Amino acid sequence: EAQVTQNPRYLITVTGKKLTVTCSQNMNHEYMSWYRQDPGLGLRQIYYSMNVEVTDKGDVPEGYKVSRKEKRNFPLILESPSPNQTSLYFCASSYGQGGGYTFGSGTRLTVV
Amino acid sequence: SQQGEEDPQALSIQEGENATMNCSYKTSINNLQWYRQNSGRGLVHLILIRSNEREKHSGRLRVTLDTSKKSSSLLITASRAADTASYFCATLQAGNMLTFGGGTRLMVKP
Repeated sequence: EAQVTQNPRYLITVTGKKLTVTCSQNMNHEYMSWYRQDPGLGLRQIYYSMNVEVTDKGDVPEGYKVSRKEKRNFPLILESPSPNQTSLYFCASSYGQGGGYTFGSGTRLTVV
Repeated sequence: SQQGEEDPQALSIQEGENATMNCSYKTSINNLQWYRQNSGRGLVHLILIRSNEREKHSGRLRVTLDTSKKSSSLLITASRAADTASYFCATLQAGNMLTFGGGTRLMVKP
């Protein structure tokens, strides 16, 4: 089944403790992206990648890092999480520029 | 920054009625896409309309695009209770930036 898989689905962590949210797609998509969704603010793009080793900042990249060493994986790294990064995170992928995106099921992160 | 803004923010209708949601955006686009999200779940791609297209259909969905007014509408005909969800428009700009609007919450009452 074609899908984008995120892990974990839920995570509660403490301020400053580094964490990684994994994202993997099995569709050989070139484009991958991370979004966060917050009430009243909608979905905002954090980072995106157009191919292996090619990443770029979205609207809200501060406090996040990404890497794209393999085509299928696009992990989101929070080096020192803070409470304002409490949010619902989505990874998404697309076959190419101009196409629709397939979204993962989301990761609900709480930073206390 | 939000590129698209949906209107209305919330819509409640009876099963069988049609639902219309509107989206306005600010800058030039490559295409405009509509997504559905069930509460707290991932977004599902519904339909894509390119900047040189004016209307597109997919099942009970009809999307229009007016680039001169920088607006789009999504019409769901003969709505069902299962259509209850949030609907988002998203615009694709240069560099494959997909920017979402704030969404319309649709409730279809049985």
